[in-house]
Amino acid sequence: TQLLEQSPQFLSIQEGENLTVYCNSSSVFSSLQWYRQEPGEGPVLLVTVVTGGEVKKLKRLTFQFGDARKDSSLHITAAQPGDTGLYLCAGAVVSYGKLTFGQGTILTVHP
Amino acid sequence: EAQVTQNPRYLITVTGKKLTVTCSQNMNHEYMSWYRQDPGLGLRQIYYSMNVEVTDKGDVPEGYKVSRKEKRNFPLILESPSPNQTSLYFCASSGGDIPTYNEQFFGPGTRLTVL
Repeated sequence: TQLLEQSPQFLSIQEGENLTVYCNSSSVFSSLQWYRQEPGEGPVLLVTVVTGGEVKKLKRLTFQFGDARKDSSLHITAAQPGDTGLYLCAGAVVSYGKLTFGQGTILTVHP
Repeated sequence: EAQVTQNPRYLITVTGKKLTVTCSQNMNHEYMSWYRQDPGLGLRQIYYSMNVEVTDKGDVPEGYKVSRKEKRNFPLILESPSPNQTSLYFCASSGGDIPTYNEQFFGPGTRLTVL
């Protein structure tokens, strides 16, 4: 079983602060995805990273895939209350095979 | 509208009473999957299917069955539910005409309580 360790589990910050969420594994993944989930809804895909060392930006969110494709990070700049939610990373060793999710990071951004 | 639908959205049942949660997608996706979500454990994959008549176990398949007779439908069956199967269940799909890296398109979830 591939494991994805996500940290921190909880993050409570003030509006305008920066934050980073980490996703680490001992397994090599062919791709890694980040999702955001709001209460009462299913997760929604934010981004997929595929190449080791890849960096993708989505407005104030920056996603990075480690060189060895074993880890990833999500950095949010100048967090806003609308960023509040559960952030999940997910990795696939083989495309269209088993998908492993991290435990999730509950982010709360206070106005 | 492209979507994954699940029914029912909420279900309270008793131990041992067989139940089925339906899942349907209208995006012509090959891949479909079931997950359960429990506090502190994230999403754990129960079963997945890469195409019709092809199903594989995920990380927590015990106590569950699935079938994939049609491309659009992927029901989750609990033959004899137990209280430890109380959870929030999500169906998801991916694939279609544009090559992807198995990005999941999730349904709205089914909250199951087994008494």
